[in-house]
Amino acid sequence: EDQVTQSPEALRLQEGESSSLNCSYTVSGLRGLFWYRQDPGKGPEFLFTLYSAGEEKEKERLKATLTKKESFLHITAPKPEDSATYLCAVHSVTNAGNNRKLIWGLGTSLGVNP
Amino acid sequence: SQTIHQWPATLVQPVGSPLSLECTVEGTSNPNLYWYRQAAGRGLQLLFYSVGIGQISSEVPQNLSASRPQDRQFILSSKKLLLSDSGFYLCAWSSRWGYTFGSGTRLTVV
Repeated sequence: EDQVTQSPEALRLQEGESSSLNCSYTVSGLRGLFWYRQDPGKGPEFLFTLYSAGEEKEKERLKATLTKKESFLHITAPKPEDSATYLCAVHSVTNAGNNRKLIWGLGTSLGVNP
Repeated sequence: SQTIHQWPATLVQPVGSPLSLECTVEGTSNPNLYWYRQAAGRGLQLLFYSVGIGQISSEVPQNLSASRPQDRQFILSSKKLLLSDSGFYLCAWSSRWGYTFGSGTRLTVV
């Protein structure tokens, strides 16, 4: 069964203290891995899509990497405005038809202290 | 550019009352559309998806239903709300690059 697990559930950092969030997945065949940011009371906001092991993408202080079993979201020198819940999702061969359904992790709640 | 509109932002409804949440997409044609519910600690739960007008797939048996009367309109409904229907409801559309979500509706059933 396709599964996505995110860790840690919650993380609190000091401003400037770099760290990484983990998304491990077990799927029948990866078609894409997605990272989203969600602020309280709002819909998730797209960050990155990764398709193959070894791929990396960056946006400001965020960098996403992908291996055959997991993805990391690296946060370099975070600021308080980076506080949010970060969600990971995968699109697998199982859902490779027209429906494009995703399997979602439960997210990591990140807080950054000033 | 593509945009997605979802309303209302918040809703408080009594048990047994009907529900209608609407979602519209602009800037794309024949999108795949989705309704999700998000509860604390349970992540995003897919409720319905639609690949075209009148085509609705239900993921979870429940007190809710969905309809797609037009290409870019997706409606979530209930005839009689239950307390357990409370939650944060999200509409989304997908492309090969991922999903784009609406701003969500916080539904509280009292």
